[in-house]
Amino acid sequence: ETGVTQTPRHLVMGMTNKKSLKCEQHLGHNAMYWYKQSAKKPLELMFVYNFKEQTENNSVPSRFSPECPNSSHLFLHLHTLQPEDSALYLCASSQEWPRNTIYFGEGSWLTVV
Amino acid sequence: TQLLEQSPQFLSIQEGENLTVYCNSSSVFSSLQWYRQEPGEGPVLLVTVVTGGEVKKLKRLTFQFGDARKDSSLHITAAQPGDTGLYLCAGGGQNFVFGPGTRLSVLP
Repeated sequence: ETGVTQTPRHLVMGMTNKKSLKCEQHLGHNAMYWYKQSAKKPLELMFVYNFKEQTENNSVPSRFSPECPNSSHLFLHLHTLQPEDSALYLCASSQEWPRNTIYFGEGSWLTVV
Repeated sequence: TQLLEQSPQFLSIQEGENLTVYCNSSSVFSSLQWYRQEPGEGPVLLVTVVTGGEVKKLKRLTFQFGDARKDSSLHITAAQPGDTGLYLCAGGGQNFVFGPGTRLSVLP
């Protein structure tokens, strides 16, 4: 069983829908991340939360909205997405940002139709 | 900005062959990690190396951190189809950065 769990594992949504991805880590870590992985592209860091505070936002469009209510939970709220946003969205955690080893969840496959 | 390069980008070999993949940078890293990612899954941590020249073995996998802590290699002995996947290196330093990966295919 992974220390970082993501739900749902698969999501299909229309461009006008609103949905959320959820992530929970059971490792006692203080930093949590959202990464995007598109087909045949490197991992793209989207957001970093360190001790519940957002420390990184790598020019992510506002149609992606993160929320970190506590150090164990992280959400990615999605609204009015585009087909090119279809990708594997990976949640991860580490002891702290930025230097510690990162542990990933299994990912949420998102398809925007 | 710290960057990591990986080579080769793609590798397709027969079961039983040996292979080495590389991770290089012009920057010094305080640690280096290797991950394997299978299709549709998240990357899984294989190893962390922290000391220049360090060698770690994980069954048929041998990891080496360069003496100057700027590069690393992963050697697989007698590759098996289960080794198929995307191998990512990541470095800890000013930030935590990932390389683009080496996509390995081991054919039965």
